[in-house]
Amino acid sequence: EADIYQTPRYLVIGTGKKITLECSQTMGHDKMYWYQQDPGMELHLIHYSYGVNSTEKGDLSSESTVSRIRTEHFPLTLESARPSHTSQYLCASSPPSGANVLTFGAGSRLTVL
Amino acid sequence: GNSVTQMEGPVTLSEEAFLTINCTYTATGYPSLFWYVQYPGEGLQLLLKATKADDKGSNKGFEATYRKETTSFHLEKGSVQVSDSAVYFCALRLSGGYQKVTFGIGTKLQVIP
Repeated sequence: EADIYQTPRYLVIGTGKKITLECSQTMGHDKMYWYQQDPGMELHLIHYSYGVNSTEKGDLSSESTVSRIRTEHFPLTLESARPSHTSQYLCASSPPSGANVLTFGAGSRLTVL
Repeated sequence: GNSVTQMEGPVTLSEEAFLTINCTYTATGYPSLFWYVQYPGEGLQLLLKATKADDKGSNKGFEATYRKETTSFHLEKGSVQVSDSAVYFCALRLSGGYQKVTFGIGTKLQVIP
């Protein structure tokens, strides 16, 4: 059972539209992450957060932005979507201590026409 | 820097065959090692982990042993099933509160009846 929820699961939109991908977790995890997954499967970290009001850029440059106003919520926004943004976006979270196992959401598959 | 190298797929096996997916790593310290699995249409989920040298992680018939001398964490299963068809990711994380997870490229496994 998923304790981290992503909506929408699938989204098809036109170029130039603003979109927000939602991610919420109920585990009280302080760390949250956004990964972009290629059609070839490889994962790229694009954003992460270590707590409320903390956001950092990941290893892969992205035109998207994120915010962390509440512990449980980590939305990703694209102001003006383009076909190059077509991808699978995976949200994840991890607890503050221990081996820091990541818990992933089911993903949001975005297609920009 | 830290990196994970895993064998490229796809790997196609017949049901009940023996599975090995190779994974080697490079890290500046002593990482925790993980295998994550992604079933079609889903996010990643933890399959097994090992946090120190010589530890063996196991779950659902899968095993992997943390080999510090060869910097490896190969995934094995004695008898695969069709339901094991998925993408498998090897990953590492160094200790410390703000360390990120480094993933391999993923290996797609297809098991045919």
